[in-house]
Amino acid sequence: AQSVTQLDSHVSVSEGTPVLLRCNYSSSYSPSLFWYVQHPNKGLQLLLKYTSAATLVKGINGFEAEFKKSETSFHLTKPSAHMSDAAEYFCVVIYMEYGNKLVFGAGTILRVKS
Amino acid sequence: EAGVAQSPRYKIIEKRQSVAFWCNPISGHATLYWYQQILGQGPKLLIQFQNNGVVDDSQLPKDRFSAERLKGVDSTLKIQPAKLEDSAVYLCASHRMNTGELFFGEGSRLTVL
Repeated sequence: AQSVTQLDSHVSVSEGTPVLLRCNYSSSYSPSLFWYVQHPNKGLQLLLKYTSAATLVKGINGFEAEFKKSETSFHLTKPSAHMSDAAEYFCVVIYMEYGNKLVFGAGTILRVKS
Repeated sequence: EAGVAQSPRYKIIEKRQSVAFWCNPISGHATLYWYQQILGQGPKLLIQFQNNGVVDDSQLPKDRFSAERLKGVDSTLKIQPAKLEDSAVYLCASHRMNTGELFFGEGSRLTVL
């Protein structure tokens, strides 16, 4: 079955240190992959998306992600965490060959320590 | 480009009452999704439409929830009768096939008392 696995439910980093949020997806011919951020009581904000163009995708607020087909991964990174990055992050995949099935990961809560 | 419009943004009802949410996707987006997000949880798919046809409604509680997408454009999601556990944010999203882009509305927050 088509799935999205976010390997960490919680990640804690110190301000100014790198962030790595991991996401793996089910093998797919042509997935569309997204990272969304959700601050408390707020809506989903798109950070970045991969839709079969460059494998290294740059998003907003200094985030980027690399699509690795051989590893079926789409990990989100940021070189230096800021306090305002504290939020919940969702990896989302659309499986085009399965009727555009949209699957959410379970989410990763990022905590940034001062 | 206008985004995905949802209304109402907030609704408070008592249990056993009914409620309806409306979603207007981005023009030309054939795929429309409704998600339920309970506080502290990730979004859960309720129903997926392709144009005006249902692709997946396997997780829609059909005894109380219904959804339609007349003419393949806007959509309504109805809950009747509501239960306490239906308190959640209801998210609508639309998908553009040729670019694979995905857009979410701001959501409709339901509180059932």
